[in-house]
Amino acid sequence: QVQLVQSGAEVKKPGASVKVSCKASGYTFGSYGVSWVRQAPGQGLEWMGWISPYNGNTNFAQNAQGRVTLTTDTSTNTAYMELRSLRSDDTAVYFCARARSNWLIDYWGQGTLVTVSS
Amino acid sequence: EMVMTQSPATLSVSPGERATLSCRASQSVSSNLAWYQQKPGQAPRLLIYDASTRATGIPARFSGSGSGTEFTLAISSLQSEDFAVYYCQQYNNWPPYMYTFGQGTKLEIK
Repeated sequence: QVQLVQSGAEVKKPGASVKVSCKASGYTFGSYGVSWVRQAPGQGLEWMGWISPYNGNTNFAQNAQGRVTLTTDTSTNTAYMELRSLRSDDTAVYFCARARSNWLIDYWGQGTLVTVSS
Repeated sequence: EMVMTQSPATLSVSPGERATLSCRASQSVSSNLAWYQQKPGQAPRLLIYDASTRATGIPARFSGSGSGTEFTLAISSLQSEDFAVYYCQQYNNWPPYMYTFGQGTKLEIK
């Protein structure tokens, strides 16, 4: 069965960086995109970016561009999201998700809580 | 900029009754519209895609309709496990490639 297993919770100081991992199993990793979505406490869902493990192509939401780096490691079927220059309003649960060729998100990771606090 | 607007923000319905949730897009998304259910502390779960197709394992009491800019998620005969937050989302597989979520509708027990 399709599974996306994310790394554990992180606590970071303002200005630092965080890197969240997402290990995929149960499907051909290179045949689907990986999207990243975040959810601030008590808030809705916000798309951050998408990457193709097949060729490394990326697309980003406007407010994520410049601070977010998305990468994949096809040898371990793992996707990574790095967020730099962290601010307190980056405190959120970060989800990775599988995206079909038409960009439909069909499976989600369990989420990783990133807390930014001095 | 694409904006997805869901209504109402909160919907109170009794178990066994029908719930109807709405989603409006600021410009046409064709049928590239999905609905997700999210329970506290969990990841979203795909319910409906392509506006009206149920995802694998989703009960028949969930149905989606609409195209262009107006969409509806209907849940007939609400079960206790259906009380959750529901999000609509448009997915662009053409430039500018992007996703936009609605702000969510909280379905609560009346």
